[in-house]
Amino acid sequence: DAGVTQSPTHLIKTRGQQVTLRCSPKSGHDTVSWYQQALGQGPQFIFQYYEEEERQRGNFPDRFSGHQFPNYSSELNVNALLLGDSALYLCASSLGSSVYSPLHFGNGTRLTVT
Amino acid sequence: AQSVTQPDIHITVSEGASLELRCNYSYGATPYLFWYVQSPGQGLQLLLKYFSGDTLVQGIKGFEAEFKRSQSSFNLRKPSVHWSDAAEYFCAVGVSISSGSARQLTFGSGTQLTVLP
Repeated sequence: DAGVTQSPTHLIKTRGQQVTLRCSPKSGHDTVSWYQQALGQGPQFIFQYYEEEERQRGNFPDRFSGHQFPNYSSELNVNALLLGDSALYLCASSLGSSVYSPLHFGNGTRLTVT
Repeated sequence: AQSVTQPDIHITVSEGASLELRCNYSYGATPYLFWYVQSPGQGLQLLLKYFSGDTLVQGIKGFEAEFKRSQSSFNLRKPSVHWSDAAEYFCAVGVSISSGSARQLTFGSGTQLTVLP
């Protein structure tokens, strides 16, 4: 049973570029959340997708956008990259969006912006 | 807004010694509390969770945590630490949105655990 898979594992981009990160949820899960983890910090909530809609959003600018596909996989897009966007981006899946449904995290995508 | 504080950035213990990692939260309603562990290059693994009921919860890998409402704390404990427990530990509070359609976790900044042989 595959867990949450994220691609790519590492990525290097230049300021101003755009990036797309991908996530496949754990089998049977229908909800995907994205978190940004800066070095030495705890993860920060970006947004959550359920039934192909953004259900909730954290305190992130519109440069961060996402999408969920009918097979529940998800993409995170970041436009006009800034140096401060360098971080580990974590995808987490769950069954439903209830607080009772535990999150399963992938190993993340390490994004470096130069 | 909710917040989580982990006062200890780094803790070092000897293998076989007991461990307590501190976590304090700020949230207006009944909190849903979690502890996660992150090994280098890995994602986060859920150790245990508290929703309601018994304030002492048991988790995986021999960990337990106690919810103390009066102190707004949810400290993680382990009686005897193993070298493989070396990792970063995150406390988190779950927020249930009134609409019931979504929720998010607010994480603390983490405690790095080093285990000496």
